[in-house]
Amino acid sequence: NAGVTQTPKFRVLKTGQSMTLLCAQDMNHEYMYWYRQDPGMGLRLIHYSVGEGTTAKGEVPDGYNVSRLKKQNFLLGLESAAPSQTSVYFCASNNKNEQFFGPGTRLTVL
Amino acid sequence: DQQVKQNSPSLSVQEGRISILNCDYTNSMFDYFLWYKKYPAEGPTFLISISSIKDKNEDGRFTVFLNKSAKHLSLHIVPSQPGDSAVYFCAADSGGYQKVTFGTGTKLQVIP
Repeated sequence: NAGVTQTPKFRVLKTGQSMTLLCAQDMNHEYMYWYRQDPGMGLRLIHYSVGEGTTAKGEVPDGYNVSRLKKQNFLLGLESAAPSQTSVYFCASNNKNEQFFGPGTRLTVL
Repeated sequence: DQQVKQNSPSLSVQEGRISILNCDYTNSMFDYFLWYKKYPAEGPTFLISISSIKDKNEDGRFTVFLNKSAKHLSLHIVPSQPGDSAVYFCAADSGGYQKVTFGTGTKLQVIP
């Protein structure tokens, strides 16, 4: 039982490049979330999903897209990366009121 | 507009003493509150929670207190241990799809 895993762990992009972050969970959770963590800002919700095939915007969705084609996977895409998207990204899945987090992806956009 | 506030960015406590981490919120719709602990280079992990129908919840060395009238909650760690050194996030949920709102975190250092 791996819990929540994230791929990749680190990535450096140039401005304008695109990439996809993958989140996978093996706990059969319905709800999944993408957050970003920035210094002094806590964790801010980017997008979330309440089930396979559904997605919704969180607090800071601009510049990101998501897809939930399979229940266990939640993808976060950056179509045209900007330096403001330099951050640590965390995926989480939910069991009732407790969220289980992945280890994070550290993304740097130059 | 920060709906969940942790006004102390850092806190240092001697081993064996009590650590008190504070959190304030502004949204009256929040009905469930959580504390998460985060070590460097790891994701946050759930620590303890409390429903708005309670004013205290205890789990071992960790106790969370909720004062609804003041919109304030606190996490007490007794006794504090060096392994408790981490960033602690307060979070609040208004019951819709568990979209919790996180505070900015308090970095706790427990000095041996």
